[in-house]
Amino acid sequence: DTGVSQNPRHKITKRGQNVTFRCDPISEHNRLYWYRQTLGQGPEFLTYFQNEAQLEKSRLLSDRFSAERPKGSFSTLEIQRTEQGDSAMYLCASSSHEGTNEKLFFGSGTQLSVL
Amino acid sequence: AQKITQTQPGMFVQEKEAVTLDCTYDTSDQSYGLFWYKQPSSGEMIFLIYQGSYDEQNATEGRYSLNFQKARKSANLVISASQLGDSAMYFCAMTQYSSASKIIFGSGTRLSIRP
Repeated sequence: DTGVSQNPRHKITKRGQNVTFRCDPISEHNRLYWYRQTLGQGPEFLTYFQNEAQLEKSRLLSDRFSAERPKGSFSTLEIQRTEQGDSAMYLCASSSHEGTNEKLFFGSGTQLSVL
Repeated sequence: AQKITQTQPGMFVQEKEAVTLDCTYDTSDQSYGLFWYKQPSSGEMIFLIYQGSYDEQNATEGRYSLNFQKARKSANLVISASQLGDSAMYFCAMTQYSSASKIIFGSGTRLSIRP
């Protein structure tokens, strides 16, 4: 069990560029979540998967955001045409959803800075 | 719809004192789960405690206990004998079990322990 891994740790990009983040969950975990967090705020739900199925995407999320989890393993989060307001920490978490007490294991996050 | 509210942006507590962090929630489901997470300045998210809506006893994990008042829809975290290492952001979170529901977080409370 190596924990949840996110890459890259930091990403600096210019406004209008596309960026892609990767998350490798704990291997036996069937659920994978993406959250966005800005300084001093709580994690904001973006989307989540059960195996390869995307169960929900936040209605607050623009169409510039897309996520995939092919084969129910790693996941990618892509942001197209980045804007300065996209600057945040993007957190990935995974869990073994087998009933109640769905304990989330978080990665270290990807810090995005849009210039 | 589910909602989590944390009304205390920040708190200062003297070392060794007990502290209560407030959390209220809103849900139309009868079956749901409540969580507390800690986020130190290092940024990692650490699971602290879980309470299921049907659990008759308040959850406890070492120095952490969850004061669950179902009728008031509150799930306050109590930390006994606070330590300097307890200084961190604390987030309340919830999920609903009636459907494949996501986990959402509150805005957090910054706890600072004074020596």
